[in-house]
Amino acid sequence: IVLAQSPGTLSLSPGETSTLSCRASQSVGDNYLAWYQQKPGQAPRLLIYAASRRATGIPDRFSGTGSGTDFTLTISRLEPEDSAVYYCQHYANSPWTFGQGTKVEIK
Amino acid sequence: EVQLVESGGGLVQPGGSLRFSCAASGFIFSSHWMSWVRQAPGKGLEWVANIKQDGSEKYYGDSVKGRVTIYRDNAKNSLYLEMNSLRAEDTAVYYCARIGGVTIFGNSHWYLDLWGRGTLVTVSS
Repeated sequence: IVLAQSPGTLSLSPGETSTLSCRASQSVGDNYLAWYQQKPGQAPRLLIYAASRRATGIPDRFSGTGSGTDFTLTISRLEPEDSAVYYCQHYANSPWTFGQGTKVEIK
Repeated sequence: EVQLVESGGGLVQPGGSLRFSCAASGFIFSSHWMSWVRQAPGKGLEWVANIKQDGSEKYYGDSVKGRVTIYRDNAKNSLYLEMNSLRAEDTAVYYCARIGGVTIFGNSHWYLDLWGRGTLVTVSS
């Protein structure tokens, strides 16, 4: 399963809302999709699993939606600390794959 | 403290071999599937391998299949990845990650909920 993320880069101001897309080349089944955040020089951090479930400690500004082949990560009320690369990843079957990432820049 | 600490990276010549280690602490290591994920410099994430709690099931990414072996020692709370026939394109930071899981409406969902800081391997002559 190939995951295509768009856009490649988003440049937004604090307080705005960002919408990140992840499209799968085939269905990922019962929403077997996760989202991760990676800041420069750091390991990735789990944000969302099962397409819409927030991981422990993740603020409700982060929300995931979608099913089948089309998924969205929405970050509301952007804060400077949200500047990062965001990856989607499926776990429907082996091999697991990641999208190529979307970079979110905060102006 | 709940953490994963990788080691074993460094400079290796093309065609060489390497073993990565990951020391787990602060959680019940033997209760979790574990994973290796890598990231080439300036590139995205690439899943490498998964291993079941008792080591009885292993899965590998297509780009490394046949050249890598994932294994674990639950008595030492340690995860390993052996790579051979290394190529320049294997140059990357290798992350150890814990696989968490939850069952929702009868379906098992998996996620990488704890990551180490990674260890860098450079394959070059």
